[in-house]
Amino acid sequence: TQLLEQSPQFLSIQEGENLTVYCNSSSVFSSLQWYRQEPGEGPVLLVTVVTGGEVKKLKRLTFQFGDARKDSSLHITAAQPGDTGLYLCAGARNTGNQFYFGTGTSLTVIP
Amino acid sequence: DARVTQTPRDKVTEMGQEVTMRCQPILGHNTVFWYRQTMMQGLELLAYFRNRAPLDDSGMPKDRFSAEMPDATLATLKIQPSEPRDSAVYFCASGLGGRAYNEQFFGPGTRLTVL
Repeated sequence: TQLLEQSPQFLSIQEGENLTVYCNSSSVFSSLQWYRQEPGEGPVLLVTVVTGGEVKKLKRLTFQFGDARKDSSLHITAAQPGDTGLYLCAGARNTGNQFYFGTGTSLTVIP
Repeated sequence: DARVTQTPRDKVTEMGQEVTMRCQPILGHNTVFWYRQTMMQGLELLAYFRNRAPLDDSGMPKDRFSAEMPDATLATLKIQPSEPRDSAVYFCASGLGGRAYNEQFFGPGTRLTVL
């Protein structure tokens, strides 16, 4: 049983479109991270959110942590082929830095 | 720039053989994680160390898997005997412990295939 469920599992869109990826749980997290993983490589951290309701922007990417700190979303505006990859959310449930990873969303942006 | 290194990058072995994967964490990082990634299960935490001491290895099958940190620059994950269901990509990550939102820096992974 996965602690964090992501949706959709797969997403294929045209360049220039917008998209949102969701990360949901019934558990409360002290912090949540989003990673992107490209084929043949390890995940790379995009952002960390620590406060309920927090919104962070990274160029065309907008990350939001739910008010109750049980869920998060990643919105990409005007997607580009370089955004293609596996997006993973990861939540920490206590003050340690052991993170539980979500099921992943595989994004393909078609030129 | 500083990176986590893992060896080997690819390993093909036969069922029953011993497999040892090695990881060199980023110099100065005091926390090391071992993960396994498969299509079915995603990224699963196997074990993690802080200051070379194992903090949690509950995700690891104890009968065949073992993880150690002989020194601060080397972490090892051993499978003996290996089974086909162990086929996966194994990632090592390192970070600075002590805060809930510390970044983990991942290595490139070891792709293990057990025939």
